[in-house]
Amino acid sequence: EAQVTQNPRYLITVTGKKLTVTCSQNMNHEYMSWYRQDPGLGLRQIYYSMNVEVTDKGDVPEGYKVSRKEKRNFPLILESPSPNQTSLYFCASSNWMRGLNTEAFFGQGTRLTVV
Amino acid sequence: LAKTTQPISMDSYEGQEVNITCSHNNIATNDYITWYQQFPSQGPRFIIQGYKTKVTNEVASLFIPADRKSSTLSLPRVSLSDTAVYYCLVGDGNTDKLIFGTGTRLQVFP
Repeated sequence: EAQVTQNPRYLITVTGKKLTVTCSQNMNHEYMSWYRQDPGLGLRQIYYSMNVEVTDKGDVPEGYKVSRKEKRNFPLILESPSPNQTSLYFCASSNWMRGLNTEAFFGQGTRLTVV
Repeated sequence: LAKTTQPISMDSYEGQEVNITCSHNNIATNDYITWYQQFPSQGPRFIIQGYKTKVTNEVASLFIPADRKSSTLSLPRVSLSDTAVYYCLVGDGNTDKLIFGTGTRLQVFP
């Protein structure tokens, strides 16, 4: 079954404690990205990756890091989480490139609370 | 950077047709326009995609004018289960970013 898997689904952590949210896809997609969703602000792109070892900033990258060492995995790293990073996070993958916008598949979401 | 705007919310009754418009002023020249449906605490789910004119599938139609600065998602005969938030998604004309619209919350009443 084609899917994007995020872990964990729920996480409560304390300010400053490094954490990683994992994302894995089994569709051999080139393009992967992370979004955060906040009430009234919709879905905002944090980082995206066009391929292995190619990553770039989205609209709200501050406080986040990503890596793309393998095609299937795209972890989101919060080196020093702060309360303003409390949000619902989604990972997505697709074969999107300019001129070829294909369906994006989304993970189930990770609800992060930073206290 | 592409800016996409949608109405914040819409109300409808079961059996009616609903049209949701997204304005995108700097869409990538060769990029498609995609629409998603999202239920609470779930990831967005693909509805329909198009490049220009009209596209129809089993659940919706998508109308895109020649200038491609907007698109309209049409849901025929909505039901209660269509209550959700609907987003358009476009590629930015200058970068490789994928930009979601602001989202439209559709409430369907019996």
